[in-house]
Amino acid sequence: DTEVTQTPKHLVMGMTNKKSLKCEQHMGHRAMYWYKQKAKKPPELMFVYSYEKLSINESVPSRFSPECPNSSLLNLHLHALQPEDSALYLCASSQDNDSGNEQYFGPGTRLTVT
Amino acid sequence: TQLLEQSPQFLSIQEGENLTVYCNSSSVFSSLQWYRQEPGEGPVLLVTVVTGGEVKKLKRLTFQFGDARKDSSLHITAAQPGDTGLYLCAGGSNTGNQFYFGTGTSLTVIP
Repeated sequence: DTEVTQTPKHLVMGMTNKKSLKCEQHMGHRAMYWYKQKAKKPPELMFVYSYEKLSINESVPSRFSPECPNSSLLNLHLHALQPEDSALYLCASSQDNDSGNEQYFGPGTRLTVT
Repeated sequence: TQLLEQSPQFLSIQEGENLTVYCNSSSVFSSLQWYRQEPGEGPVLLVTVVTGGEVKKLKRLTFQFGDARKDSSLHITAAQPGDTGLYLCAGGSNTGNQFYFGTGTSLTVIP
C-alpha cells in the first residue's frame, strides 16, 4: 500500500477563519512533508517531520502551524491566511529523511482563501 | 537558484508523436525520481534511477540517468492523451540532505 490520504479535498476559508488540513499514511514511513504548489509550478517545500520531530521549516509564516501527533499523522493548522496563500497543499511521506528516498504524495487539498 | 532545470517548460504535441523531456543540473545527485501530476492531483512516482548511465523502461516511457549523475531524460514514444500532465524530476543532493524538484514540464497531447 503506497497510499497517502489527505482531507479535505477542497477548502474555502475567510481570512479570519481557523482550519486544519490532515494527512495520513500507513506505510511505516518516518518522514512526512508539507508542500505548497501553485498552478503548473513545482511543489515548494514548507515543513519536514522526521521521526515525529520538526526537522526543516523553510521560513514559512507563522500563520501555518504544523503538527505531527504520531508517526502516521500530519496536520497543518491554518489561521489568518491571506488570499495569496490559495494553492494546492500536498502532503508526502518517505521511508526516512534521507534525501535519496522516494517520496509518495497525497492527492492534495485545494485551498481557496477569500 | 534552481538546482534542477527542466526543458522544455511547455510542450504541446499531436497524439502519436514522440517527445523527450530533459532534467539538467550542475550538481551530482544520489538518485533522481520522475513524477507525473494531473491537474488537481498529487504527483505520482513513475521511476527512480540510481546508477549513472542507467536506463529504465515503463511501457512507452524510457528514463535515462546521465553517466555523471547530473542529468536525466524522459522519452515518450507514441504519446497518448492520457500522457497529458506536469512532469517533474526530483532528487536528493549528493552533498547534503536536501531534496529538490525540477522546474517542471507541462505536456499536452492533442487527440
